[in-house]
Amino acid sequence: QVQLQESGPGLVKPSETLSLTCSVSGDSISTYYWSWIRQTPGKGLEWIGYIYYSGSTRYNPSLKSRVTMSVDTSKNQFSLKLRSVTAADTAVYYCARIERDVYNYPRDLDYWGQGTLVTVSS
Amino acid sequence: QSALTQPASVSGSPGQSITISCTGTNSDIGNYNLVSWYQQHPGKAPKLMIYEVTKRPSGISSRFSGSKSGNTASLTISGLQAEDEADYYCCSCAGSSTLLFGGGTRLTVL
Repeated sequence: QVQLQESGPGLVKPSETLSLTCSVSGDSISTYYWSWIRQTPGKGLEWIGYIYYSGSTRYNPSLKSRVTMSVDTSKNQFSLKLRSVTAADTAVYYCARIERDVYNYPRDLDYWGQGTLVTVSS
Repeated sequence: QSALTQPASVSGSPGQSITISCTGTNSDIGNYNLVSWYQQHPGKAPKLMIYEVTKRPSGISSRFSGSKSGNTASLTISGLQAEDEADYYCCSCAGSSTLLFGGGTRLTVL
């Protein structure tokens, strides 16, 4: 059974960098694409981006200038960094596995972590 | 990229059927048969219910079905049950292999 677990600081100061890690168990990180999604309080889901074990990435155009994702195959983990955060970045952050179609397009998010709340406040 | 458009809320009585629409553009829903739907109960992570427009993952009830016409995808839940009360989100592959979510629909079972 695939399991994902987010970890990282629950409180980040404005203008600083939000850093989260997702630990994957039950599957090799080298097999799939891996994604970050966030959900602001009381609002909908926003896709942040995804990464392949090779380091290839795709980011949401609205966040691209502030986002960096990386992968550590030795630890079966992948990470998110979001720079210059503001209160608008306060959200529950989820990591998830992406299943691809036969043409390698992202098809769906089939396994999700439980989510972690990150609050941006001084 | 603008979010896919979903109704804010829908409701139905137990046993009835409801349909949630998800409208996009020629660059996302209209261009790919890669629409997925997620159910989210309060305080929980989203759960995949439908993928590739019409397919159900193993373990998902046949009461859940999906369809697409042009730039609009739909999720239909038949035989509504109390446990179906949740938020539902559509998602589509969009340009440059990105992903785009809908704004979400709150389903109330009366």
